[in-house]
Amino acid sequence: AQSVTQLDSQVPVFEEAPVELRCNYSSSVSVYLFWYVQYPNQGLQLLLKYLSGSTLVKGINGFEAEFNKSQTSFHLRKPSVHISDTAEYFCAVIDEYTGGFKTIFGAGTRLFVKA
Amino acid sequence: DADVTQTPRNRITKTGKRIMLECSQTKGHDRMYWYRQDPGLGLRLIYYSFDVKDINKGEISDGYSVSRQAQAKFSLSLESAIPNQTALYFCATSGPGAPNTGELFFGEGSRLTVL
Repeated sequence: AQSVTQLDSQVPVFEEAPVELRCNYSSSVSVYLFWYVQYPNQGLQLLLKYLSGSTLVKGINGFEAEFNKSQTSFHLRKPSVHISDTAEYFCAVIDEYTGGFKTIFGAGTRLFVKA
Repeated sequence: DADVTQTPRNRITKTGKRIMLECSQTKGHDRMYWYRQDPGLGLRLIYYSFDVKDINKGEISDGYSVSRQAQAKFSLSLESAIPNQTALYFCATSGPGAPNTGELFFGEGSRLTVL
């Protein structure tokens, strides 16, 4: 069965520093990959997605992620974070073995941006 | 107004009570989902529905039931609530095909506490 591993449960970082949130998924022939963000007391919203094509994907709020098929990874990066980026981030995957459009989520990474 | 609306947003109840969480959407999507969020576990799929006549169990359906009353409405019921069903519940929708393949649109969540 497909699974998603987010390697860090919490990531503290100072404002304006770069950040990388790591995500690995189980190997599969064909996958769609997503990062969602959850701000306090809100639902999740899409940050970015990889469906096909270029392996470097750019999303909202200056975030980007790189799909690495050989490493089965989809790490999220931002070169300079803001206080407002404090939130929980979820990596997610859809593949052909999960019935087409059933999304599997990682456990989440809490990003704390400190002044 | 939110595209995906959940009611109630917060509910405290007692063990053994029947609880219904309701979800309505204005996105015109056929696919609707109920997820449960627990700290450190990410989101887990309870039930999903690809149209009014199609209801499917997710990975943690025991103790829950659903009803798809219309394309726009999908409710989740706990027939006899127990304390380990205390969690944050999310309704989500998705549309068919590219370019939004698989992207989920979430409500703001319903926080349920079972005493």
